[in-house]
Amino acid sequence: AQSVAQPEDQVNVAEGNPLTVKCTYSVSGNPYLFWYVQYPNRGLQFLLKYITGDNLVKGSYGFEAEFNKSQTSFHLKKPSALVSDSALYFCAVRDRQSSASKIIFGSGTRLSIRP
Amino acid sequence: EPEVTQTPSHQVTQMGQEVILRCVPISNHLYFYWYRQILGQKVEFLVSFYNNEISEKSEIFDDQFSVERPDGSNFTLKIRSTKLEDSAMYFCASVSRGIDTEAFFGQGTRLTVV
Repeated sequence: AQSVAQPEDQVNVAEGNPLTVKCTYSVSGNPYLFWYVQYPNRGLQFLLKYITGDNLVKGSYGFEAEFNKSQTSFHLKKPSALVSDSALYFCAVRDRQSSASKIIFGSGTRLSIRP
Repeated sequence: EPEVTQTPSHQVTQMGQEVILRCVPISNHLYFYWYRQILGQKVEFLVSFYNNEISEKSEIFDDQFSVERPDGSNFTLKIRSTKLEDSAMYFCASVSRGIDTEAFFGQGTRLTVV
């Protein structure tokens, strides 16, 4: 079965410092991986995706993610955190075994950036 | 920029009542989904819909739930007899084509069953 795991419920970072939100995956075949962000009382907003090609993918709001096949990881990163980055972040994978390729989400990581 | 819209934003209903949550997916998209999220926690898959029929459903999606695309634009989720544990945020999503494309989510409907 396809799955993603986010080992940290919460990540706390000082503004201006680099941030990393961790994600590992378990899939059969090539993974199609995504990061979404959820601000309070809002829907899920697409940040970036890895389908194929370069292991480092860039997305919205200065975020990037590194695909590492040997470690089965897809960590989200940003060189310099902003207070406005505080939100709930979800790693996700498309289920290739699903007839409609549903998205399977991780449990989410709450990112808190302190001024 | 095209977006998925959901109505209402908040619905309060009494236990045992029927509710219909409405969604307008992005117009040229082909795959449609409903997810739910309880208290800002994990986002759970409910059902997927393609080519005017359910393509997959989770164990959560029991006989009390149904989906329809009645007019080619709206996509609805009906809960026939709501239970307290149905209280959650319900998100609609749509995807344009294949597995390599991202899903676009609506802002959600907060359902409160009292």
